[in-house]
Amino acid sequence: DTGVSQDPRHKITKRGQNVTFRCDPISEHNRLYWYRQTLGQGPEFLTYFQNEAQLEKSRLLSDRFSAERPKGSFSTLEIQRTEQGDSAMYLCASSLDPSEQYFGPGTRLTVT
Amino acid sequence: AQSVTQLGSHVSVSEGALVLLRCNYSSSVPPYLFWYVQYPNQGLQLLLKYTSAATLVKGINGFEAEFKKSETSFHLTKPSAHMSDAAEYFCAVSDDGGFKTIFGAGTRLFVKA
Repeated sequence: DTGVSQDPRHKITKRGQNVTFRCDPISEHNRLYWYRQTLGQGPEFLTYFQNEAQLEKSRLLSDRFSAERPKGSFSTLEIQRTEQGDSAMYLCASSLDPSEQYFGPGTRLTVT
Repeated sequence: AQSVTQLGSHVSVSEGALVLLRCNYSSSVPPYLFWYVQYPNQGLQLLLKYTSAATLVKGINGFEAEFKKSETSFHLTKPSAHMSDAAEYFCAVSDDGGFKTIFGAGTRLFVKA
C-alpha cells in the first residue's frame, strides 16, 4: 500500500493556460474526492466519485473545471483557461469507508 | 447547512503542557465529526472521528476529543504536548456519513521547548 499519490506536486502556469492534475488512489478504494485548499484555509470540497461515477459536484467547480475517473481507478482534474484565483493546493483523497479518507500530498498550482 | 468554527487560528503551548484546540459545529442532522492533522508539505492525516458511538473518542498520537451535543462542540485535547505535535489541525463535519466533508479554517499549533 503506497498511499494516495498526486502528480505533479507543483505546477506553475500562465493565466489562460490549461492544466491537468492526476490522482492515483489506494488501489482497493472505490471512492475518490477532490478538494481545494487556499492559504490559511481548510480544504474545500470540490467533487467525489464512487467508482467511475461522479456523484456530487460543488458549486465551486465552475465550467472551467472538469474531473474524470475512467474505469474507476485514477482520476484527473482539469482546469481550463486558468485564472490567478485558481492558485491553490489541490488535494485528492480516497476511501472505502467515506468516514476514513486518506489524503494525498497535494498539487500546488501557481497561476502567474 | 453544516459548518465548522475553529476558535483560534494559532495556539502556542509549552512542551509537556495540555493541548486544547476548540471546535464548534453546526449541523441539521446528527453529524460525523473529524479532526485531521497536516504537517508542512504533506497531506491531511485523520487523527480521530466521531460517528455517533462513544462521545469520548481516542485517536492517534495520544489525542482525544469529546462530542458535546448540548454545546455543539468537539474540542481536541492531549494531556502533554510534544515538539512533534507542532502542525496545523483541522476540525471537520459531515452530515452524510463523510461523503461531503466541510472543514474548518484550521488551527496552527506551536510547541515551545
